[in-house]
Order: sequence, then C-alpha cells, then structure tokens
Amino acid sequence: RKEVEQDPGPFNVPEGATVAFNCTYSNSASQSFFWYRQDCRKEPKLLMSVYSSGNEDGRFTAQLNRASQYISLLIRDSKLSDSATYLCVVGYFGNEKLTFGTGTRLTIIP
Amino acid sequence: EAQVTQNPRYLITVTGKKLTVTCSQNMNHEYMSWYRQDPGLGLRQIYYSMNVEVTDKGDVPEGYKVSRKEKRNFPLILESPSPNQTSLYFCASSGGLNEQFFGPGTRLTVL
Repeated sequence: RKEVEQDPGPFNVPEGATVAFNCTYSNSASQSFFWYRQDCRKEPKLLMSVYSSGNEDGRFTAQLNRASQYISLLIRDSKLSDSATYLCVVGYFGNEKLTFGTGTRLTIIP
Repeated sequence: EAQVTQNPRYLITVTGKKLTVTCSQNMNHEYMSWYRQDPGLGLRQIYYSMNVEVTDKGDVPEGYKVSRKEKRNFPLILESPSPNQTSLYFCASSGGLNEQFFGPGTRLTVL
C-alpha cells in the first residue's frame, strides 16, 4: 500500500463549480500535512498547510481527519486558473522528509 | 528574490557519460533534497541533506551521488547515467516547518 494515495483523476469540472479531492495516508505517526499545486512541467508550489482544525484560504478549504487518516481539499467557485495537478503531502515535525502522493489532475472547463 | 536554481534545465546525454546537475538556494536553508518525478510514480526522494557535510539516502538513491560542501549548494551527480534515469529532477530546500521550495526542474534524457 502506498504511503499517500490520491485519485489520479482527471477531474474535468465546469468553471464556477465546487470540486473536492481526498487523500489517504497510511502512517498514523504523520504530523504535518500539505497540499501542493503543480502546473504542467513546472515545479510544485505550496498551496496550503492542513491543520487539525481545518483551514481556509479564500476559495480553498483543507480538512484533516486523523482518525480516518485522510486529508481533503475543497475548491469553491473554480476558475480556469485552478487547472493543475494537486499533490497531497505528509511529513513529520523535526524531519524535513516529505512523502508525496502521485497527484490529482484537475481541468476547469469554460 | 528567494529562490532555488537548477542547471541545466534540459539535458540530453548518452549512457555512461558522467554528468552533474547543480542546485543552489539563497535562503540560507539547512535542508536540501533531490527528487525525481516520473509518470504514475509521483515525486520520489533521491537524496537529502540536513546540513553541510550531512547527506543521506532517500527512497531511490541507486545510481546517484550528492555532496554538500557549502550550505547553498547541493549538486546531484550521475557517475554513469543509464536510460532508466531519464526523468524530471527537482531540487528543493527547506528552512523548517516542512514547507519545501522547489527549483524549476531539470529534464534529463539518457539515450
């Protein structure tokens, strides 16, 4: 079983719709959680950290469920510029090693 | 501007010809790392370094070497490249709290 698993998609979603991704992780000792965004052939960039209490950044909301070991990302009012691959990432405090999921590809359709 | 730079960005080479991909960061980060990204496999860590002169293997270290003589630089060395090392390579650095900053990537083709 992969340490971090994501549905690879692709998700093709009309502009303005709400879309949600889930990600599961296998190591219950994981302590830090992130969503990274990667545009085609570009480097990954941090989208947001994920906290136990959940957190929101504009149209983006991230949730963490430690009991079920999954992380979610919700994008509201999707824009064409949201088209990208979204990477679920887990890590451990005090150890900079991160484990990446294979990514979920999202395409927003006009 | 805070950044991670990699060179070259694109490289086509032949089997067995030694090559080095350079990585440099200007953020005074202690942690640096190399990843390769392949379709369907995601980002996999090759080597990482917690500080100067401290390096360790990641998940896929075979066929690669690294060095960390200075804090800002972390070159990746392929002593004898093979076609299965054709991939997209990313260098990253982190100053703590796990957020990693990635370089623009190096697309390597080994014929």
